[in-house]
Amino acid sequence: EIVLTQSPATLSLSPGERATLSCGASQSVSSYLAWYQQKPGQAPRLLIFDASKRATGIPARFSGSGSGTDFTLTISSLEPEDFAVYYCQQRSTWPTFGQGTKLEIK
Amino acid sequence: EVQLVESGGGLVKPGGSLRLSCAASGFTFTTYNMNWVRQAPGRGLEWVSSITTSSSYIYQADSVKGRFTISRDDAKNSLYLQMNSLGAEDTAVYFCARGLGGLFYYFDYWGQGTLVTVSS
Repeated sequence: EIVLTQSPATLSLSPGERATLSCGASQSVSSYLAWYQQKPGQAPRLLIFDASKRATGIPARFSGSGSGTDFTLTISSLEPEDFAVYYCQQRSTWPTFGQGTKLEIK
Repeated sequence: EVQLVESGGGLVKPGGSLRLSCAASGFTFTTYNMNWVRQAPGRGLEWVSSITTSSSYIYQADSVKGRFTISRDDAKNSLYLQMNSLGAEDTAVYFCARGLGGLFYYFDYWGQGTLVTVSS
């Protein structure tokens, strides 16, 4: 099983600031990594897949980068609706998810 | 518009069974691999099971192997999860999700989830 470790656990920022979230894999997943956003009481929403491809309808302020074992989700300028929990997920083998990063308003 | 609507959750005693359903609309169901993903209260996401088109292949997480069975009815655009021998560790919101990818998947559309609570 590939273990994904996300950091930080909690990120406190203000609207308008830049957010950088990290995801590390216990072994290489090539570029088979996705990012999801989940708000309380809602289902996750796919943001990024294949490490850097934005899903349908996702704003350009969301971007992904990385390959192998180290990945980053960047939100260039935070909007109020971006405060949520973010998960990474790999599909190199049986799907696994990271434990999540909570992005909260400072 | 892609829609996935789960049903069938509820309170069940340890050792009991439950069958979840997911009604799909807004896309050609027969051409997509489908999945169940769960989330224990206050916890992260866990992939549970996948079924390919035409029910050709079925994959399950080790945590549910031998207890849960995924199936689909393409004539009804529906996905199912039969859950047997339930334990407290199975308490979670169960999401139906459409698969994106090849052998293994991302999940590009999700239902709203259905809560399964295993308790005496």
